[in-house]
Amino acid sequence: QKEVEQNSGPLSVPEGAIASLNCTYSDRVSQSFFWYRQYSGKSPELIMSIYSNGDKEDGRFTAQLNKASQYVSLLIRDSQPSDSATYLCAVKTGTSYGKLTFGQGTILTVHP
Amino acid sequence: KAGVTQTPRYLIKTRGQQVTLSCSPISGHRSVSWYQQTPGQGLQFLFEYFSETQRNKGNFPGRFSGRQFSNSRSEMNVSTLELGDSALYLCASSPDGDSSPLHFGNGTRLTVT
Repeated sequence: QKEVEQNSGPLSVPEGAIASLNCTYSDRVSQSFFWYRQYSGKSPELIMSIYSNGDKEDGRFTAQLNKASQYVSLLIRDSQPSDSATYLCAVKTGTSYGKLTFGQGTILTVHP
Repeated sequence: KAGVTQTPRYLIKTRGQQVTLSCSPISGHRSVSWYQQTPGQGLQFLFEYFSETQRNKGNFPGRFSGRQFSNSRSEMNVSTLELGDSALYLCASSPDGDSSPLHFGNGTRLTVT
């Protein structure tokens, strides 16, 4: 079992729809969770961080965390073509300084 | 606030050579981490430095090494390059390398021929 797994893609949604990206992790002591967006040929860009159970909203983005189920998700409302990118789920465990464990990424395409 | 700066952006090297990559973190960030990204393995952690000390290390051979200077700038060195070292090398900084998010630089694209 991989440490961090993301729903297999690619994911294609129409403009204006809600895109739902999911991630599960195996280490129960994981404490910090992040979503990064990576455009082709670019570096990962931080979208959201979440540390406690529940929802966290930032503009069109909502991150959801359920530590009991070891599950974290990212919802993108009113999806735009500019949201088309690879979305990376990253998990930090305990005091593993500077180390994030990344999922393999989900490619999202928003079509007009 | 300036972001994380990596130089050079692109490098082409020959097998057996060595290479040094440079990273300047965001001002005030004392933790610098290095990652390797390849299509097959994704993003993999190399090592982390804080106050000139390596605090954490990933599962890479000893050919991969790094250091951090007193101004928090960091360098990564790869010796005896192999074809499989071709990758995007990313540097990330954070205030403490603990719970704070990592902010990535633009990366150095290394091609080994």
